Amino acid sequence: NAGVTQTPKFQVLKTGQSMTLQCAQDMNHEYMSWYRQDPGMGLRLIHYSVGAGITDQGEVPNGYNVSRSTTEDFPLRLLSAAPSQTSVYFCASSYSASGSLHTQYFGPGTRLTVL
Amino acid sequence: QQPVQSPQAVILREGEDAVINCSSSKALYSVHWYRQKHGEAPVFLMILLKGGEQKGHEKISASFNEKKQQSSLYLTASQLSYSGTYFCGTDGGGSQGNLIFGKGTKLSVKP
Repeated sequence: NAGVTQTPKFQVLKTGQSMTLQCAQDMNHEYMSWYRQDPGMGLRLIHYSVGAGITDQGEVPNGYNVSRSTTEDFPLRLLSAAPSQTSVYFCASSYSASGSLHTQYFGPGTRLTVL
Repeated sequence: QQPVQSPQAVILREGEDAVINCSSSKALYSVHWYRQKHGEAPVFLMILLKGGEQKGHEKISASFNEKKQQSSLYLTASQLSYSGTYFCGTDGGGSQGNLIFGKGTKLSVKP
């Protein structure tokens, strides 16, 4: 099991460029989420999905789009990058079962810099 | 609503104890604790469910008081490997599959 994988690990963009952060999991988890982490802010939820074809907004969704066409994949799209989107992005998956309610399995993260 | 963690940072000598607190203004269904080393992803430590249970992971234990909507993480006889940032994540009982995380507590253990 690879768990949760993310690509790329590092990315530098110019303001206005678009890109897609990839996330995949091989644990057959129904739930997937995207968080961003900024110094002193903790992990803030961007978008989440409760299953293939179903997505919803989290706390900080502006400037990002997601889709979930398969259980395994949950890409995050930056539409027009801004310096305020400089951050570390973590993808996570989870499942719901007694004793393990929504424990987040995190990917290794993508460090994004927008110039 | 983001849970509030305290303290924001703590410095210990090896062998000393520490307590990290997490409180929420909303009713909680479960509390999760994670540790993150610099440059790495958060790693799951333990989950506490409604019922006031206490759990342990090596010399790290935690409690959950659902009436007070609080959880505490206890680090006993700290080791250098305990250094990192600790996050609590709360679940209000919804079925969204994600957590609301606190801002973290940075723990530094010195020799």
